[in-house]
Amino acid sequence: NAGVTQTPKFRVLKTGQSMTLLCAQDMNHEYMYWYRQDPGMGLRLIHYSVGEGTTAKGEVPDGYNVSRLKKQNFLLGLESAAPSQTSVYFCASTLQDRGGYGYTFGSGTRLTVV
Amino acid sequence: AQTVTQSQPEMSVQEAETVTLSCTYDTSESDYYLFWYKQPPSRQMILVIRQEAYKQQNATENRFSVNFQKAAKSFSLKISDSQLGDAAMYFCAYRRYNNNDMRFGAGTRLTVKP
Repeated sequence: NAGVTQTPKFRVLKTGQSMTLLCAQDMNHEYMYWYRQDPGMGLRLIHYSVGEGTTAKGEVPDGYNVSRLKKQNFLLGLESAAPSQTSVYFCASTLQDRGGYGYTFGSGTRLTVV
Repeated sequence: AQTVTQSQPEMSVQEAETVTLSCTYDTSESDYYLFWYKQPPSRQMILVIRQEAYKQQNATENRFSVNFQKAAKSFSLKISDSQLGDAAMYFCAYRRYNNNDMRFGAGTRLTVKP
């Protein structure tokens, strides 16, 4: 009964370092998303995927890359971290884009870039 | 682009009382979905209620109900018989039919006073 699992839950990076956030879902969902949450700004879409092997840019994609090599996993990469990327990152998934399905969210990753 | 506005950064309610959270959105579409998500201190995003734009009847889930005014592009959430466990950030969200980009408002922090 895991749903959407994000790892790690917390991370501190130095400016210029790289890292990968992992999102895994066990619900056989086709669609997966990466959001960032900043105070006073709600959640903003970074990248998303509509199926294995596909990715697309969202509202704030700069500085991030993603990959979806397996249907159940969606990776978010930061190649050269910047303090502006300090945020809480959420992964979400949904079955399909029709029918008004809500998203299932992971518990988030708090990333601090110093 | 669709935008979602939550004009109340903070709200408070007495336990057992009723509170209404406001949300307005901007869209030129006729088919879309609206959602309210709850984010307690645990950070987990929880779907509270959803509304299909083509339905005139307001959605209800136990103590949670919405007032959907399509012409006014308004989607407020009413919480009846407020409980201490309702204390959280609440996010209003919009998703266009057949679209992969769910847009969120900035959130309303709800405090429940015993």
